[in-house]
Amino acid sequence: EDQVTQSPEALRLQEGESSSLNCSYTVSGLRGLFWYRQDPGKGPEFLFTLYSAGEEKEKERLKATLTKKESFLHITAPKPEDSATYLCAVQAGPETGGSYIPTFGRGTSLIVHP
Amino acid sequence: DAGVTQSPTHLIKTRGQQVTLRCSPISGHKSVSWYQQVLGQGPQFIFQYYEKEERGRGNFPDRFSARQFPNYSSELNVNALLLGDSALYLCASSLFPGANEKLFFGSGTQLSVL
Repeated sequence: EDQVTQSPEALRLQEGESSSLNCSYTVSGLRGLFWYRQDPGKGPEFLFTLYSAGEEKEKERLKATLTKKESFLHITAPKPEDSATYLCAVQAGPETGGSYIPTFGRGTSLIVHP
Repeated sequence: DAGVTQSPTHLIKTRGQQVTLRCSPISGHKSVSWYQQVLGQGPQFIFQYYEKEERGRGNFPDRFSARQFPNYSSELNVNALLLGDSALYLCASSLFPGANEKLFFGSGTQLSVL
């Protein structure tokens, strides 16, 4: 069964203090790894899709990377408005028993203090 | 353009009652998925519909049912509510249910069962 584990569960940073969030996964035939941002009381908002090991994507202060077993979301010089829960999801294809339906991790709750 | 809209935003029910949640996808999106998110956890997949047909079902009891209408909107029904059904119910839409399709989420319906 697909498993997605995110760490840490919670992270507190000072404004400008860079750090990384981890998403480790065990899935056969990964078709895509997704990062979403979720603000309190809202639905998740899409950030990135990564398809293969070695791939990197950037958006403002965020950079996502992918290896064969995990993904990192690097946050450079974070600001208070980056405070949110960051969710990771993996998608496998039917050729390896998957169904394209993404499986989500529990998320990392990030708080950035001014 | 309007995003995914869900109604109602909040709902309070008592044990044993029945509830219907509604979702309108982004215009042009033909696939709708439903997720349950308990506080502190990631979204758990309930159903996926595409072109009015069920394409996937998560590990939820038969008390949960859904349907998709010709205009691609969707309803999620939960019968015989239990305290454990209290959660944020999220609807997500995509163009179609396939590989690498990112999901667009609504803001959810917060269901409280007393």
